[in-house]
Formats: sequence, structure tokens, C-alpha cells
Amino acid sequence: GAVVSQHPSWVICKSGTSVKIECRSLDFQATTMFWYRQFPKQSLMLMATSNEGSKATYEQGVEKDKFLINHASLTLSTLTVTSAHPEDSSFYICSARDQAGGAGNQPQHFGDGTRLSIL
Amino acid sequence: SQKIEQNSEALNIQEGKTATLTCNYTNYSPAYLQWYRQDPGRGPVFLLLIRENEKEKRKERLKVTFDTTLKQSLFHITASQPADSATYLCALSQGYSTLTFGKGTMLLVSP
Repeated sequence: GAVVSQHPSWVICKSGTSVKIECRSLDFQATTMFWYRQFPKQSLMLMATSNEGSKATYEQGVEKDKFLINHASLTLSTLTVTSAHPEDSSFYICSARDQAGGAGNQPQHFGDGTRLSIL
Repeated sequence: SQKIEQNSEALNIQEGKTATLTCNYTNYSPAYLQWYRQDPGRGPVFLLLIRENEKEKRKERLKVTFDTTLKQSLFHITASQPADSATYLCALSQGYSTLTFGKGTMLLVSP
């Protein structure tokens, strides 16, 4: 149980393109989803916390107009990287919690990530 | 802010031995500490969660300890297997705050 599906797994596109990444919880309802970014051999850096039906909460230094997050249903959150540039190239990973409560007292279920390469 | 230290050098051990990975943190003591496994090009997979009032947690061949005095957690894999080779991430939370992840330690188990 607690499967999170992330799509696409790999994207290569030209600079200036907008890219949408989907994160779906397949067998549970995710009231909260998280979006992370990971550079090689670095830790996961939280970009934003997404709650169903409300605006996402972005971490300091993350441009909300650059990284648009939508969490319209209990099973789907999307991250759109607008006008992507080479410096946006990274590994983007989503995760979801299947229970209410504090962020740290429940495990997070991760998708398999999206490798984004901007040429 | 919380700083998490995990050994950046890969840990190489032989099959059958016990692997011990370390997670040290500074500043405040977290209410919860979690361990994840991450394979190359994949998302992390949850392994164990331990609370600040727990000293030890076990799950099959895995054992986690939590020493709030030393500000340290140890993650043990007994009878290690080549399939255990992966990067292991430590993550901390104060409760209702979000998780903060360490950089992880790569474990290589040779047959």
C-alpha cells in the first residue's frame, strides 16, 4: 500500500519551456503532498508543502511564480516549472502522507522522481 | 536551523557483517527521527521512525537507536546482503514541522 506515482520520470526540453510534473497517490488519499529538489550527492531540499484545496506553502528562497503547485484533489498534485532554464535542471521528487497529523510523526511515501534536463 | 551530519564517505562491508550508519544533528532535539533508503535514480523509501522518548526500534534486520544526549542516531543492518547496497538518509522533525533530510551515506555490501 501507500504507492505514489510520479510522471514523467525523465524530461529533456529547451530553455524557456514550461514543464508539468504530476504526483498521484494511487491507493490512499493524500491531504498533504511535498515537493523536493535533489542535486547529485546532496540532500533532499524541500521546495513546498501542498495541501489539498489550498495554496501551497513555499520554503524560503523558492520562487512561487517559477514553481507553480496545484493540489486540486486528494490524489493529485502538480508542479509546473515555468520558463525553465538550465539552472532548473535537477531531480524533482514528490511525497505524500496518508494520515493527518504532524509532518514528522508519519512516514512520507515518495514518488520515483523526475529527472529534468534543460538544454 | 537544524544541521544533520551523515558520513559522506561510502561504507564498504562484506556480506553477512553488520552495517552501522551514523546520523548526528546539532541544535534542537527532534521529536521524530526517520530513516529512508534511496536507490540511484529513485525516490526514498521509508524504513523506520523513532520518537524522542524511544531508545531503540527494530524491524526485521534493521535497528535504530536514538540518543538525545549525544544528539545521534545509529542505524544498523545485521546480516547485510548485497541487496542492501543503497544510500541511507536520516531525516528529522520537531513534530509539526517538516522533515529535514541529511545528505545520506552510501552503503556498499560486497559478496
